[in-house]
This record gives sequence, structure tokens and C-alpha cells, in this order.
Amino acid sequence: DAKTTQPPSMDCAEGRAANLPCNHSTISGNEYVYWYRQIHSQGPQYIIHGLKNNETNEMASLIITEDRKSSTLILPHATLRDTAVYYCIVRVDYNAGNNRKLIWGLGTSLAVNP
Amino acid sequence: GEEVAQTPKHLVRGEGQKAKLYCAPIKGHSYVFWYQQVLKNEFKFLISFQNENVFDETGMPKERFSAKCLPNSPCSLEIQATKLEDSAVYFCASSLLMQGIEKLFFGSGTQLSVL
Repeated sequence: DAKTTQPPSMDCAEGRAANLPCNHSTISGNEYVYWYRQIHSQGPQYIIHGLKNNETNEMASLIITEDRKSSTLILPHATLRDTAVYYCIVRVDYNAGNNRKLIWGLGTSLAVNP
Repeated sequence: GEEVAQTPKHLVRGEGQKAKLYCAPIKGHSYVFWYQQVLKNEFKFLISFQNENVFDETGMPKERFSAKCLPNSPCSLEIQATKLEDSAVYFCASSLLMQGIEKLFFGSGTQLSVL
């Protein structure tokens, strides 16, 4: 199964862009990249997902390299409330009837500082 | 409801006792997932359901763990004869799978402490 590697921690100044990298060099062609975050000890929250193209929504942007071996989650203007653990996840799809599994990384603990 | 509701928030059990955790998925979501978070950042998949049917149970420790999702009832995860190593936060999530895209909505978890 594809695996993800993330830096364990990062800092960002409030109001600046936070760029969180993820390496998924063993990803296969049909496997999606998902990002979730976990604020304090709450349940994880969906942020964004992508396959090949860059994606943007109201929360973040996702940049996926052309070879799909890595991606970057961008929070364009980080706030204190964005302090959280950010998980880069590969969704592995199995052929048998919609079966799929999320392969979680260990996450990056992002601290947004005033 | 619009949220995944997990109960109880905290559960304390003596080693060897039974523990039962509950999860009410979001109405209309057909998939339910259980995850275990032992170390602070590591999520371990346990089991998933499609409606009331087990979809994938490859993460379940077979001997002591069981789970159900019955119609018109909250889903449940039961641990018989708990061990110290079962101490963890257990998260439930529900989702819809639409056109191959899926977003999981997580509950706030049950913190299980085995003493």
C-alpha cells in the first residue's frame, strides 16, 4: 500500500501562508490524496482531496506534482484556529466492489503563532 | 442528525472488563468506519460497514473486538476482556460514497482508559 511521509512539526506566523509538504512516492495512478486535520483532540476534519490536478476550496489549496510523488497543502492566510495536526492520506481502492482504505500518515503538527 | 454522535465521551474499565462504545452516524450516510488512535498521531483502521453489513474488517483484532451496525440503532464497538493496550481514543466516522468521492465525517471520539 502507498505510504505518506510528512515532517512531524512546522511553525507558521499568523496571516502568512502555511505550506505543508507530503511525500507519497509509492502512490499508484488511481489513488487519491486526501488531507484531514485534527484540532486538539477532536475528530479529524476533511480539508481537500485530489488525484492529478491542483485543487482549491474555501479552506485550502492542494498542489500535486506532475509525477504525483508528492503534494503540498497550502493554507493561504493561516490563523490561530488553524493550529492542528494535518494528515496527508492516500486512498487505496481495491477492485472488489467499491472497497477502499485510507492509509494515514503520522501527520504534521502545525503551530500558528501570533 | 447532522453530526456523528459518539457515546460515551470517556470510559474507564478495569483490565478484563467489557467495554462498549456507541456511534450514531449522520442520517443518510451509508458507510460507517471505526478507527483507534493509540499514540497521539497514529490512526489505526478497525472496521467499516456498508449499512448493516460488514464492509472491511481487516483491522479488527479478531479475538476480543466485535462491532455491529443494526437498523434503527446506533452502531457499536465492543471489546471483551479489555487489556491495558486497548487504552486509546476510538473514533467513528460516517460517509457517503458519490461518484468515487468520499468525505468522512468524524465524531468527537470515546476515550477508553483501561486500568
